[in-house]
Amino acid sequence: SAVISQKPSRDICQRGTSLTIQCQVDSQVTMMFWYRQQPGQSLTLIATANQGSEATYESGFVIDKFPISRPNLTFSTLTVSNMSPEDSSIYLCSGTGTGDYNEQFFGPGTRLTVL
Amino acid sequence: GQNIDQPTEMTATEGAIVQINCTYQTSGFNGLFWYQQHAGEAPTFLSYNVLDGLEEKGRFSSFLSRSKGYSYLLLKELQMKDSASYLCAVMDSNYQLIWGAGTKLIIKP
Repeated sequence: SAVISQKPSRDICQRGTSLTIQCQVDSQVTMMFWYRQQPGQSLTLIATANQGSEATYESGFVIDKFPISRPNLTFSTLTVSNMSPEDSSIYLCSGTGTGDYNEQFFGPGTRLTVL
Repeated sequence: GQNIDQPTEMTATEGAIVQINCTYQTSGFNGLFWYQQHAGEAPTFLSYNVLDGLEEKGRFSSFLSRSKGYSYLLLKELQMKDSASYLCAVMDSNYQLIWGAGTKLIIKP
């Protein structure tokens, strides 16, 4: 399956600022997703990143807070806007379309701490 | 609503066998996935079941019963490196993955 990289791997940010996380896949993928994972908990889907159009957000997540871009089939960004300490989490990018079972494969994650 | 249940934590001994269960209620079914996640790392794909029965892959096997909404992951000859969280996820009728909360597996020497 393809390999996903994320930048930054971790960051510490001040309340009220914004951070953009980049996700790069080494081959074209059909779908890309953004997740949030609190320590010791499972994955919460934020949105599906659609190539060339607006992302599809899950309940509880809005574009103004988590704008997402996907300009092509190998790259996506997630911005966490106007951050608060409650946004402290691990943010994971995933993709599908290159595995035998259409399984999702994940990037290494971005550990965000908001002070 | 859609729901996936798995035990929060399990403990097993090195060299032994452990079975991690997963029950699900989803709107439609297009396959069940098991992932392994070591602390501080991203989940990695372990297995996929879409038909009833057992899929074996080395020390790991996964079983599915669609009529019972039930799956298990069987780990044999446990090694210390198997200490991790194991996530069950079901693909629903919209091809969206519904994730369980994960089972933290602790291996003791």
